[in-house]
Order: sequence, then C-alpha cells, then structure tokens
Amino acid sequence: AQSVTQPDIHITVSEGASLELRCNYSYGATPYLFWYVQSPGQGLQLLLKYFSGDTLVQGIKGFEAEFKRSQSSFNLRKPSVHWSDAAEYFCAVGDNTNAGKSTFGDGTTLTVKP
Amino acid sequence: EAGVAQSPRYKIIEKRQSVAFWCNPISGHATLYWYQQILGQGPKLLIQFQNNGVVDDSQLPKDRFSAERLKGVDSTLKIQPAKLEDSAVYLCASSLDPTSTYEQYFGPGTRLTVT
Repeated sequence: AQSVTQPDIHITVSEGASLELRCNYSYGATPYLFWYVQSPGQGLQLLLKYFSGDTLVQGIKGFEAEFKRSQSSFNLRKPSVHWSDAAEYFCAVGDNTNAGKSTFGDGTTLTVKP
Repeated sequence: EAGVAQSPRYKIIEKRQSVAFWCNPISGHATLYWYQQILGQGPKLLIQFQNNGVVDDSQLPKDRFSAERLKGVDSTLKIQPAKLEDSAVYLCASSLDPTSTYEQYFGPGTRLTVT
C-alpha cells in the first residue's frame, strides 16, 4: 500500500529565509507525486506535481520540488519565504495504476516570522 | 470558472443524529471525491465517483456513511447516526478525469462537530 511521511509537523522560518519541507513516500512503482497548500478555512490548492521526466519540478508561487528515487523523497523548496506562505502543506502520492487514488501525508504547518 | 461549492460550511450536531453535506463540482468534471480530514491529519479518501458510478469506496464506513451522485453532477454525503469520532472537515474535490494526471480541485470543506 502506498504511504507518505512528512517528518516535520511544524516549521518556523523567518521571512526572506529559504524553506525546505520534507516528504518521503512508499510506492511500488514510479509514483505520481504532489504538493498541496491549505490556508486556514480553505480547501487544498495544488502547488506542483511530478509524473515523469525532469526530476526538478517548478510550481506556482515560486515553489519547486525535487524527486529523488534513491531516497524515496519529494522535498518542497522555496528560496525566499513570504509572510503569505504561512499555511499547511501536504505531500501526496498518486496511484498510477488505479483510478487516480491519492494518499496524503499528515501535513507540515509553516509559520513565518517577520 | 466557478470552483467547487460545498454547503453547509459548519455544522454542529449531537451524537446519534444524522447530517448531510452537499457538493457541486466544477462544471464538466466527471470525477468527484469526498475526503475526511481529521484535525492534525491529511485528507483521507472516503469515496470516489466517476460520473454517477462509484470507483472506490473502500474506506467509507458503510454502516453509517452513504453517498450518492445523482445525474453525475452534484453529490451528497450522509452520516447516520453520527459518532464523536466523525468530527472532522469533509472536503469535496473534482477533476476532469479519474487518473492522477489530472488536478483535483478542492472545495472549502464542511467542518462537522459532533457533541
């Protein structure tokens, strides 16, 4: 069964500092991988996705993620964090053999200090 | 385009009562998902529809939860009777296609509190 682990429950960074959110997955084949962001009281919004090809994926809002098969990781990065990036971030793995079932991690809450 | 609509946004009920949630997906989206998000956890898929047929309901507690998607458009999720552990946010999402290659668009969710 597919699974996702987000080791950091809560991360605090200063505005303007760089950010890396960790994600490790378990899946038997080449995974489909996603990062979503959820602001308070809002639904989830897709930041970026990886299906195949270039292992460095660019997303919206200046985010990027790198797929590393050898480490079963798909870490999310941003070079300079803005106060508006404070939110909860979810990594997900999609089943590429079944009807698109996605399994989510438990999320990382990002706090941005002024 | 209009996003995924859900109602109500908040609901408070007592245990053993029943409750229903409504979702209207983005126009033209064939696939509809219901997720349960318990505080501190990621969303967990309850049921997935393709048009008005069920694709996956393996994690739906069928003794108390039911869902339908009549005419392949909007959908309702019902809980009867509710338990304390059903307190969660219920998210509806839709996509053009059931495969993972298509983005899921999420609604704002319904926050359910069972007392």
